[in-house]
Amino acid sequence: KNEVEQSPQNLTAQEGEFITINCSYSVGISALHWLQQHPGGGIVSLFMLSSGKKKHGRLIATINIQEKHSSLHITASHPRDSAVYICAVRGNRDDKIIFGKGTRLHILP
Amino acid sequence: DSGVTQTPKHLITATGQRVTLRCSPRSGDLSVYWYQQSLDQGLQFLIQYYNGEERAKGNILERFSAQQFPDLHSELNLSSLELGDSALYFCASSATSRQMNYGYTFGSGTRLTVV
Repeated sequence: KNEVEQSPQNLTAQEGEFITINCSYSVGISALHWLQQHPGGGIVSLFMLSSGKKKHGRLIATINIQEKHSSLHITASHPRDSAVYICAVRGNRDDKIIFGKGTRLHILP
Repeated sequence: DSGVTQTPKHLITATGQRVTLRCSPRSGDLSVYWYQQSLDQGLQFLIQYYNGEERAKGNILERFSAQQFPDLHSELNLSSLELGDSALYFCASSATSRQMNYGYTFGSGTRLTVV
């Protein structure tokens, strides 16, 4: 079992839908990141979380440390949100970074 | 433009060959990180340099090596290439030595195809 699991692996939705991507991890962490990778390959950091909730525009990220779970939500989704979303955690014992395998999101116009 | 420059963008080479990937960090950043992203493994951390010194090592093969020069640019050398080394190689930089902390920026990657 991977230490960081994302679900779903693939998601196709209509423009305007509310999107949720989940990340579960099995190690103790000091921080969790959500990254966005566009079809061209470039990676952008969306959020770094250690507790609670963060919001940026239509994106919301939440984390529950006790349940070792984080969610990334996209409200009013748009075709330009189509990308791979990657969850990454930093271990609190060794600062080791572990990446999830990503969720491929496709928003249809 | 993230400020982190990677060259070349694409590279096609034959098995057994050696290639060098280059990364120029964002101005003022002292740390450079290298990652490999393959279809089956996802992103994996390879190695970190901070101000010219190796700082942390991840899943880097012995056939791979890296260095950071006095001007802070870094090179990742891949030798005795195998088909399985085909992947996207990303560089990232930050001002501090802590991986994936605030101000962490990725380059656009080098796509390596080994044939």
